[in-house]
Amino acid sequence: DAKTTQPNSMESNEEEPVHLPCNHSTISGTDYIHWYRQLPSQGPEYVIHGLTSNVNNRMASLAIAEDRKSSTLILHRATLRDAAVYYCIWGGSNYKLTFGKGTLLTVNP
Amino acid sequence: ETGVTQSPTHLIKTRGQQVTLRCSSQSGHNTVSWYQQALGQGPQFIFQYYREEENGRGNFPPRFSGLQFPNYSSELNVNALELDDSALYLCASSRTSRGAADTQYFGPGTRLTVL
Repeated sequence: DAKTTQPNSMESNEEEPVHLPCNHSTISGTDYIHWYRQLPSQGPEYVIHGLTSNVNNRMASLAIAEDRKSSTLILHRATLRDAAVYYCIWGGSNYKLTFGKGTLLTVNP
Repeated sequence: ETGVTQSPTHLIKTRGQQVTLRCSSQSGHNTVSWYQQALGQGPQFIFQYYREEENGRGNFPPRFSGLQFPNYSSELNVNALELDDSALYLCASSRTSRGAADTQYFGPGTRLTVL
């Protein structure tokens, strides 16, 4: 199974940066790292994905360690709307996303 | 562009009954995946359909079955419902080309309660 380790919960203040860590020590060289988030009462939502180098998009940045055994999702300025469960997922076959329990992010006003 | 839609929103069934859940894919997507999410857990992969054929299956018994139609919409059928089948059922669509699937886009889910 595509195992990842994430903190159960994290807390942040509004407009501050948030760094969400993920360990994926058994990842292979061709597996992508994906991040999804699930807002309350909604289905999961794609955030970002990457393979080796750091990636940026309008929602977040993804920093991937050189050995690829860990990654960090960076929200540059957290808003109340970013409060969600964040899932770190890896796998070579994109057809099957193996979700763990994720990290519950609380954003304080 | 219309997103992924699912029906019904909520459903209550009794043990032993059968249920059919429906999913309408996002425009241009040819692949549908179904997930089960128990309370407090992450979604668990049930199966995926690509061009009307099953393209992978998770650790779920045969009483969980599915269909994909020519317009790429999909159904999830569950027979002989058990109490543990109570969960949020999520449908996700994606575009698969050259054997690799694109990002998955999830619907809002169907909340199934089995009494």
